[in-house]
Amino acid sequence: EVQLLESGGGLVQPGGSLRLSCVASGLTFSTNAMGWVRQAPGKGLEWVSSISDSGGRTYYEDSVKGRFTISRDSSKNTLSLQMSSLRAADTAVYYCVKAHCGATSCSRVDYWGQGTLVTVSS
Amino acid sequence: QSALTQPASVSGSPGQSITISCAGTSSDVGGYNFVSWYQQNPGKAPKLIIYDVTQRPSGVSDRFSGSKSGDTASLTISGLQAEDEADYYCSSHRNSRNLGVFGTGTKVTVL
Repeated sequence: EVQLLESGGGLVQPGGSLRLSCVASGLTFSTNAMGWVRQAPGKGLEWVSSISDSGGRTYYEDSVKGRFTISRDSSKNTLSLQMSSLRAADTAVYYCVKAHCGATSCSRVDYWGQGTLVTVSS
Repeated sequence: QSALTQPASVSGSPGQSITISCAGTSSDVGGYNFVSWYQQNPGKAPKLIIYDVTQRPSGVSDRFSGSKSGDTASLTISGLQAEDEADYYCSSHRNSRNLGVFGTGTKVTVL
């Protein structure tokens, strides 16, 4: 059974930073693309970022480019999202996901974590 | 990102069939067979129920089926049950984007 367990969410002030982590089990982490999808309170789903199995390709939603950095450590089966210059609009539940990617894009989520809430407020 | 268009809500009685639409363009839904559907129960994470327009992951009930016509994809739930009450989202690959796009979401109510 695939399990994705996020941590690191919390309350942060505008302009602040936060690092999310996700530990994966039940899958061969090093051969799977991964990513983050977020959902603002009462709103729909939005891709944030994805990373290829090797870590060599990363994609970002335009609204987070230059502020968020996705990374992975296959020795620890861990996916991370470093978030900086946070804004109120970044407030959301962030889901760690196992992504299904083609040659140049990731458009499908095969598995979801339970999510971690990030609240950006003063 | 411009989301795919879904009806805000759909309802039906137990045992009935309902259909949820997902309207896009030739740059996404109409141009590729990479449409997926997700079910999200209240307070829970979404779950993949349809991928590649018509395919069901292992363990998903065959009461869920997907189709596509032109730029619009559809999810049909047959034999509606109380446990099907949830939010449903479509998603698709979109030309010129490295990340997919989601639909606006549809709340299904079982009367």
